[in-house]
Amino acid sequence: DVKVTQSSRYLVKRTGEKVFLECVQDMDHENMFWYRQDPGLGLRLIYFSYDVKMKEKGDIPEGYSVSREKKERFSLILESASTNQTSMYLCASSSPDRNRELFFGEGSRLTVL
Amino acid sequence: GEDVEQSLFLSVREGDSSVINCTYTDSSSTYLYWYKQEPGAGLQLLTYIFSNMDMKQDQRLTVLLNKKDKHLSLRIADTQTGDSAIYFCAFEGGSYIPTFGRGTSLIVHP
Repeated sequence: DVKVTQSSRYLVKRTGEKVFLECVQDMDHENMFWYRQDPGLGLRLIYFSYDVKMKEKGDIPEGYSVSREKKERFSLILESASTNQTSMYLCASSSPDRNRELFFGEGSRLTVL
Repeated sequence: GEDVEQSLFLSVREGDSSVINCTYTDSSSTYLYWYKQEPGAGLQLLTYIFSNMDMKQDQRLTVLLNKKDKHLSLRIADTQTGDSAIYFCAFEGGSYIPTFGRGTSLIVHP
Protein backbone atom coordinates (compact mmCIF):
# COMPACT_ATOMS: atom_id res chain seq x y z
CA ASP A 1 0.00 0.00 0.00
CA VAL A 2 1.41 3.35 -1.03
CA LYS A 3 2.10 5.68 1.80
CA VAL A 4 3.00 9.22 2.72
CA THR A 5 3.84 9.48 6.39
CA GLN A 6 3.98 12.69 8.37
CA SER A 7 5.95 12.37 11.55
CA SER A 8 3.62 14.23 13.91
CA ARG A 9 -0.17 14.37 13.86
CA TYR A 10 -0.39 17.06 16.52
CA LEU A 11 2.16 19.58 17.74
CA VAL A 12 1.95 22.48 20.17
CA LYS A 13 4.77 25.00 20.06
CA ARG A 14 5.49 28.43 21.50
CA THR A 15 6.00 31.62 19.52
CA GLY A 16 9.60 31.90 18.38
CA GLU A 17 10.37 28.18 18.53
CA LYS A 18 11.90 26.38 15.56
CA VAL A 19 9.58 23.71 14.21
CA PHE A 20 10.38 20.75 11.97
CA LEU A 21 7.66 18.86 10.13
CA GLU A 22 8.86 15.67 8.50
CA CYS A 23 7.34 13.80 5.58
CA VAL A 24 8.42 10.48 4.10
CA GLN A 25 7.03 8.70 1.04
CA ASP A 26 7.67 5.13 -0.03
CA MET A 27 6.64 5.40 -3.69
CA ASP A 28 9.94 6.67 -5.14
CA HIS A 29 8.14 9.83 -6.28
CA GLU A 30 10.12 12.68 -7.73
CA ASN A 31 7.72 15.44 -6.70
CA MET A 32 6.91 16.41 -3.14
CA PHE A 33 4.75 19.25 -1.81
CA TRP A 34 3.88 21.05 1.38
CA TYR A 35 0.44 22.67 1.69
CA ARG A 36 -1.30 24.36 4.55
CA GLN A 37 -5.03 23.99 4.99
CA ASP A 38 -7.16 26.58 6.75
CA PRO A 39 -10.96 26.66 7.05
CA GLY A 40 -12.53 28.53 4.16
CA LEU A 41 -9.19 28.99 2.42
CA GLY A 42 -8.64 25.48 1.10
CA LEU A 43 -5.12 24.26 0.35
CA ARG A 44 -2.35 26.73 -0.27
CA LEU A 45 1.02 25.63 -1.59
CA ILE A 46 4.00 26.57 0.56
CA TYR A 47 6.92 24.84 -1.21
CA PHE A 48 7.49 21.99 -3.61
CA SER A 49 10.41 19.96 -4.85
CA TYR A 50 11.02 18.20 -8.14
CA ASP A 51 14.10 16.32 -7.07
CA VAL A 52 16.64 15.87 -4.34
CA LYS A 53 18.14 19.18 -3.20
CA MET A 54 15.76 21.11 -5.43
CA LYS A 55 13.04 23.36 -4.08
CA GLU A 56 10.66 25.91 -5.47
CA LYS A 57 8.52 28.49 -3.70
CA GLY A 58 4.80 28.06 -3.81
CA ASP A 59 2.15 30.69 -3.16
CA ILE A 60 2.89 31.37 0.51
CA PRO A 61 6.56 30.62 1.29
CA GLU A 62 7.13 33.48 3.74
CA GLY A 63 8.15 32.25 7.17
CA TYR A 64 8.93 28.74 5.91
CA SER A 65 11.87 26.85 4.47
CA VAL A 66 12.26 23.27 3.26
CA SER A 67 14.90 20.60 2.95
CA ARG A 68 15.13 17.62 0.62
CA GLU A 69 18.36 15.75 1.22
CA LYS A 70 16.94 12.36 0.22
CA LYS A 71 14.37 11.52 -2.42
CA GLU A 72 11.91 10.03 0.04
CA ARG A 73 12.02 12.80 2.64
CA PHE A 74 10.78 16.39 2.47
CA SER A 75 10.96 18.54 5.58
CA LEU A 76 9.16 21.80 6.32
CA ILE A 77 10.88 24.19 8.71
CA LEU A 78 9.41 27.11 10.59
CA GLU A 79 12.48 29.06 11.69
CA SER A 80 10.58 31.12 14.25
CA ALA A 81 7.01 30.00 14.72
CA SER A 82 4.28 32.62 14.94
CA THR A 83 0.63 32.33 15.95
CA ASN A 84 -0.52 32.92 12.37
CA GLN A 85 1.21 29.69 11.41
CA THR A 86 -1.27 27.70 13.46
CA SER A 87 -2.75 25.45 10.82
CA MET A 88 -3.06 21.96 9.34
CA TYR A 89 -0.01 21.08 7.24
CA LEU A 90 -0.35 18.51 4.49
CA CYS A 91 2.49 16.80 2.69
CA ALA A 92 1.96 15.18 -0.71
CA SER A 93 3.97 13.40 -3.36
CA SER A 94 3.43 12.58 -7.02
CA SER A 95 5.09 11.11 -10.03
CA PRO A 96 5.39 13.21 -13.20
CA ASP A 97 3.99 10.40 -15.34
CA ARG A 98 0.51 8.83 -15.41
CA ASN A 99 -2.22 11.15 -14.19
CA ARG A 100 0.08 12.97 -11.77
CA GLU A 101 -2.17 12.10 -8.85
CA LEU A 102 -1.12 13.58 -5.51
CA PHE A 103 -0.81 11.18 -2.59
CA PHE A 104 -1.33 12.94 0.73
CA GLY A 105 -0.24 12.27 4.26
CA GLU A 106 -2.77 12.47 7.08
CA GLY A 107 -1.68 15.95 8.06
CA SER A 108 0.10 17.62 10.96
CA ARG A 109 -1.96 19.97 13.06
CA LEU A 110 0.29 22.66 14.48
CA THR A 111 -0.79 25.03 17.22
CA VAL A 112 1.49 27.95 18.03
CA LEU A 113 0.81 29.60 21.38
CA GLY B 1 -10.32 36.54 -8.57
CA GLU B 2 -9.82 32.99 -7.42
CA ASP B 3 -8.17 30.51 -9.81
CA VAL B 4 -10.64 27.82 -8.74
CA GLU B 5 -14.03 28.62 -7.22
CA GLN B 6 -16.35 26.30 -5.35
CA SER B 7 -19.26 26.86 -3.04
CA LEU B 8 -18.33 26.08 0.57
CA PHE B 9 -21.29 23.95 1.65
CA LEU B 10 -23.82 21.51 0.24
CA SER B 11 -26.49 19.71 2.21
CA VAL B 12 -28.44 16.78 0.77
CA ARG B 13 -30.76 14.07 1.96
CA GLU B 14 -29.54 10.48 1.95
CA GLY B 15 -30.47 8.77 -1.32
CA ASP B 16 -30.63 12.01 -3.32
CA SER B 17 -28.05 13.06 -5.90
CA SER B 18 -25.38 15.59 -4.98
CA VAL B 19 -23.89 17.97 -7.50
CA ILE B 20 -20.74 19.87 -6.59
CA ASN B 21 -19.70 22.62 -8.96
CA CYS B 22 -16.38 24.24 -9.72
CA THR B 23 -15.21 26.98 -12.05
CA TYR B 24 -11.61 27.56 -13.02
CA THR B 25 -9.60 30.11 -14.94
CA ASP B 26 -6.70 28.17 -16.50
CA SER B 27 -7.74 26.55 -19.76
CA SER B 28 -4.39 24.89 -20.40
CA SER B 29 -4.75 22.06 -17.87
CA THR B 30 -4.33 18.51 -19.07
CA TYR B 31 -5.99 16.98 -16.03
CA LEU B 32 -8.80 18.16 -13.78
CA TYR B 33 -9.34 16.38 -10.49
CA TRP B 34 -11.76 15.78 -7.69
CA TYR B 35 -10.24 14.94 -4.32
CA LYS B 36 -12.11 13.84 -1.20
CA GLN B 37 -11.08 14.57 2.37
CA GLU B 38 -12.75 12.63 5.15
CA PRO B 39 -12.63 13.98 8.71
CA GLY B 40 -9.18 13.81 10.26
CA ALA B 41 -7.53 12.54 7.10
CA GLY B 42 -5.53 13.80 4.16
CA LEU B 43 -6.96 14.13 0.67
CA GLN B 44 -7.49 11.18 -1.62
CA LEU B 45 -8.03 11.28 -5.35
CA LEU B 46 -11.65 10.47 -6.11
CA THR B 47 -11.61 10.79 -9.88
CA TYR B 48 -10.09 12.84 -12.67
CA ILE B 49 -10.86 13.78 -16.24
CA PHE B 50 -8.68 14.60 -19.23
CA SER B 51 -9.24 18.06 -20.64
CA ASN B 52 -10.22 16.56 -24.03
CA MET B 53 -13.20 14.72 -22.47
CA ASP B 54 -16.68 16.05 -21.72
CA MET B 55 -17.82 13.38 -19.33
CA LYS B 56 -16.49 10.53 -17.24
CA GLN B 57 -18.58 8.03 -15.31
CA ASP B 58 -17.30 5.79 -12.56
CA GLN B 59 -19.97 3.85 -10.65
CA ARG B 60 -21.93 6.46 -8.66
CA LEU B 61 -19.71 9.32 -9.79
CA THR B 62 -20.21 11.41 -12.93
CA VAL B 63 -17.81 14.18 -13.88
CA LEU B 64 -18.89 16.76 -16.43
CA LEU B 65 -16.49 19.20 -18.04
CA ASN B 66 -17.64 22.26 -19.95
CA LYS B 67 -14.45 23.73 -21.39
CA LYS B 68 -16.20 26.69 -22.96
CA ASP B 69 -17.55 27.87 -19.62
CA LYS B 70 -14.56 26.48 -17.66
CA HIS B 71 -16.95 24.59 -15.46
CA LEU B 72 -16.39 21.22 -13.81
CA SER B 73 -18.99 19.32 -11.83
CA LEU B 74 -19.11 16.15 -9.76
CA ARG B 75 -22.38 14.30 -9.41
CA ILE B 76 -22.75 11.63 -6.75
CA ALA B 77 -25.79 9.42 -7.29
CA ASP B 78 -27.64 7.86 -4.35
CA THR B 79 -25.64 9.87 -1.82
CA GLN B 80 -24.87 8.01 1.41
CA THR B 81 -23.84 9.23 4.86
CA GLY B 82 -20.37 7.86 4.13
CA ASP B 83 -20.08 10.42 1.34
CA SER B 84 -20.03 13.22 3.90
CA ALA B 85 -16.64 14.86 3.42
CA ILE B 86 -14.93 17.88 1.90
CA TYR B 87 -14.59 17.71 -1.88
CA PHE B 88 -11.84 19.64 -3.62
CA CYS B 89 -11.73 20.54 -7.27
CA ALA B 90 -8.18 20.88 -8.63
CA PHE B 91 -6.50 21.52 -11.91
CA GLU B 92 -2.94 21.48 -13.11
CA GLY B 93 -1.43 24.89 -13.43
CA GLY B 94 1.96 25.68 -14.91
CA SER B 95 4.78 23.19 -14.34
CA TYR B 96 2.24 20.47 -13.43
CA ILE B 97 1.56 22.07 -10.05
CA PRO B 98 -2.01 21.40 -8.90
CA THR B 99 -4.16 24.32 -7.81
CA PHE B 100 -6.97 23.51 -5.42
CA GLY B 101 -10.30 25.15 -4.78
CA ARG B 102 -11.40 26.00 -1.27
CA GLY B 103 -13.35 22.77 -0.92
CA THR B 104 -17.07 22.02 -0.64
CA SER B 105 -18.29 20.45 2.60
CA LEU B 106 -20.93 17.87 1.71
CA ILE B 107 -23.33 17.12 4.54
CA VAL B 108 -25.62 14.13 4.09
CA HIS B 109 -28.56 13.89 6.45
CA PRO B 110 -31.08 11.09 6.87
